[in-house]
Amino acid sequence: DTGVSQDPRHKITKRGQNVTFRCDPISEHNRLYWYRQTLGQGPEFLTYFQNEAQLEKSRLLSDRFSAERPKGSFSTLEIQRTEQGDSAMYLCASSFGGAKNIQYFGAGTRLSVL
Amino acid sequence: TQLLEQSPQFLSIQEGENLTVYCNSSSVFSSLQWYRQEPGEGPVLLVTVVTGGEVKKLKRLTFQFGDARKDSSLHITAAQPGDTGLYLCAGPSGTYKYIFGTGTRLKVLA
Repeated sequence: DTGVSQDPRHKITKRGQNVTFRCDPISEHNRLYWYRQTLGQGPEFLTYFQNEAQLEKSRLLSDRFSAERPKGSFSTLEIQRTEQGDSAMYLCASSFGGAKNIQYFGAGTRLSVL
Repeated sequence: TQLLEQSPQFLSIQEGENLTVYCNSSSVFSSLQWYRQEPGEGPVLLVTVVTGGEVKKLKRLTFQFGDARKDSSLHITAAQPGDTGLYLCAGPSGTYKYIFGTGTRLKVLA
């Protein structure tokens, strides 16, 4: 297993465009998380999936953000009508649950909105 | 709202020195995790502490969970340049959500 992979690694877009990121979790992991990280800060929780069900979504997440995890495998995060404030690193993590719920992170997608 | 505050925010030390970074909250956590993140990469889990007062060692790194489970510390003995990175603490908030601290950026100079 190669770990959590995210695509693309970098995305540059113009304000107002839509962007979509993909996350492929570790295959046997049923839990999947999306986080956003800005420079010099810790990751900020965006949303959580258990299998294909989206069980929690941050109240800070605007309606322009949507995430899916069809069939409980890979996940996509879409941002519509991007704004400059959306520029950040978007991280995906997966886990198998359990008492310690160890999250394995991907390398992230760095989004720059011009 | 649960918050995790880390201090110091930045730390630059010489190789061989010892250091301690702190993770504090006014809330009780069922567990806390410590991660290290290098530029351009995602965070990598170092340790999870679960029991109040627990001490865990990982080579030159010593992690402690406060008795009241509101704070944690990470002590590095004889720091090496390979220890350079962003150190993050994190804990569960509610059923599914995790919150991360503000991070301590460590630079170890050779």
